[in-house]
Amino acid sequence: QSALTQPASVSGSPGQSITISCTGTSSDVGGYKFVSWYQQHPGKAPKVMIYDVNNRPSDVSNRFSGSKSGSTASLTISGLQAEDEADYYCCSYTSTKNYVFGTGTKVTVL
Amino acid sequence: EVQLVESGGGLVQSGGSLRLSCGASGFAISTCWMHWVRLVPGKGLEWVSRIHGDGYEINYADSVNGRFTISRDNAKNTLFLQLNSLRAEDTAVYYCASQRWLQGSSFDIWGQGTMVTVSS
Repeated sequence: QSALTQPASVSGSPGQSITISCTGTSSDVGGYKFVSWYQQHPGKAPKVMIYDVNNRPSDVSNRFSGSKSGSTASLTISGLQAEDEADYYCCSYTSTKNYVFGTGTKVTVL
Repeated sequence: EVQLVESGGGLVQSGGSLRLSCGASGFAISTCWMHWVRLVPGKGLEWVSRIHGDGYEINYADSVNGRFTISRDNAKNTLFLQLNSLRAEDTAVYYCASQRWLQGSSFDIWGQGTMVTVSS
């Protein structure tokens, strides 16, 4: 199972919006609604930011939103803040009953 | 408070073995899927394995299949990962995570991680 494809890095100024893409196949992202996004700060455990494509946990800011079109999922962060600087990973269930993570995206707040 | 705490990591030579543990508190692991995920230095997160609440179903990533074994002791509320035939590329921080389906399919609770270093 190959990792889902994400851009290595995305940057933006405070207040701006950025979008991170996550491209898979019909055997993972394109075939299921079970796509989630995780934020990871250095030395910390991952934290779920979006689950099942476009659902947000109650403790996550509404500046985070998710969507999917075909085999590509996306995470949008609006009103970018300094605390959003972290690594972000998408994750999808697969047809082989496994899970696969994306290659990861480093978000930098300029 | 719901919590997962991993232990058992360390430095091991190539070809060696380790057993990781993940103790849960605040919820029963028998009620959910439990997973192992690793953070490979310079690469990113990699899903490793999962086990159903009753242990009935188990799945592994191709990269560890045949070398790693996931198990659970519901009475002790503890998850395990036996790592055999270790290779340098298994060097990573290993996390356990729960999938309680309270937040859809996401891995909602994570441990702090335990470092495994395989020397060649």
